Amino acid sequence: DSGVTQTPKHLITATGQRVTLRCSPRSGDLSVYWYQQSLDQGLQFLIQYYNGEERAKGNILERFSAQQFPDLHSELNLSSLELGDSALYFCASSAGGEETQYFGPGTRLLVL
Amino acid sequence: AQKVTQAQTEISVVEKEDVTLDCVYETRDTTYYLFWYKQPPSGELVFLIRRNSFDEQNEISGRYSWNFQKSTSSFNFTITASQVVDSAVYFCALSLGGAGNMLTFGGGTRLMVKP
Repeated sequence: DSGVTQTPKHLITATGQRVTLRCSPRSGDLSVYWYQQSLDQGLQFLIQYYNGEERAKGNILERFSAQQFPDLHSELNLSSLELGDSALYFCASSAGGEETQYFGPGTRLLVL
Repeated sequence: AQKVTQAQTEISVVEKEDVTLDCVYETRDTTYYLFWYKQPPSGELVFLIRRNSFDEQNEISGRYSWNFQKSTSSFNFTITASQVVDSAVYFCALSLGGAGNMLTFGGGTRLMVKP
């Protein structure tokens, strides 16, 4: 158990809908990262937050947004969902900016 | 831009065989960090090891060992006396640390260990 929690574990929704994925980092970790794992794109970095501030952005679609709250948990919002958004979404956390990232169990999203 | 290549997409071995998973990376930065993660069939990503670019010492942890060679930009992972529980997808990854701490992953190597 990495100490990073993600909810929900599974999510099934329809095209055009909006969902919110939630992540709680390990105790004491200030950085939260979001990654997407899909069959065609592999594991890709989406976005990073550090102590409530956006720190880095990767291949994140404009339909996707995230935030980190004062209690350091983070949410990833996916809107206007398409079939191609079906993937495993991971959250990871680290103490700061250079430490090892520990991953949560992931949220498996299926868009029908 | 950074790039990580795992040329072996799938490896199949029989239990107790040794197996080496290859990882080649590309970066122009002199400071970087290399990682290996394991993804068992249950789906989670489990951290195995982290090395920084200034530490080329090889590392051994039980049946696992890692060979870091800057001259060939490689960070290979060897499992000695493989076991069925080692069956998983293994990912090599690279980060630059600091503001560039996002991980760039290789495509992964699926290891199947047969009894």
